[in-house]
Amino acid sequence: GENVEQHPSTLSVQEGDSAVIKCTYSDSASNYFPWYKQELGKRPQLIIDIRSNVGEKKDQRIAVTLNKTAKHFSLHITETQPEDSAVYFCAARGGSYIPTFGRGTSLIVHP
Amino acid sequence: GAGVSQSPSNKVTEKGKDVELRCDPISGHTALYWYRQRLGQGLEFLIYFQGNSAPDKSGLPSDRFSAERTGESVSTLTIQRTQQEDSAVYLCASSLEGTEQYFGPGTRLTVT
Repeated sequence: GENVEQHPSTLSVQEGDSAVIKCTYSDSASNYFPWYKQELGKRPQLIIDIRSNVGEKKDQRIAVTLNKTAKHFSLHITETQPEDSAVYFCAARGGSYIPTFGRGTSLIVHP
Repeated sequence: GAGVSQSPSNKVTEKGKDVELRCDPISGHTALYWYRQRLGQGLEFLIYFQGNSAPDKSGLPSDRFSAERTGESVSTLTIQRTQQEDSAVYLCASSLEGTEQYFGPGTRLTVT
């Protein structure tokens, strides 16, 4: 089955800096890669996703890149703000429609 | 519109008791997922329902865990003879087939 590795487990940055979270996956059949943000005590919410037919997608301060050959994808947050502090999960999904999640990255943005 | 809802929001039970957790998906969503999230951990897949197809139960950790869904509506996750290691937040998510998942607020289960 699919295996998703996510790094780092914790990321601490100063407000205004950029943050990058990286994930690798094992199943070359995976074709959909969502990223979720989970604030403390809240439900996970989709913040951005990318499908395997594109290499990059941006939405304001958030971007995701995908390298199918290397089987890795990354989340980039620019100009970080304290409200970006949360746990971020990557996931990979193929034809089974059951996503496999990474273990999460705790992002802390210091004001 | 209404999102995914779950009940109860919190459940405290004694070891050995059975519990039933409920999930109301977004109307029209054919796919429904259950996950377990232990404190500070990631999302552990439990079971997946898609329309009237047989559910994918490959993530259920033991035969004490079972789930049902009637058509494309409510789902219930049942844990029999609860153990302390069952303590976690149980999250439900729904989606249209092949699209993004929408999560419910979760049920926090504490087994004493």
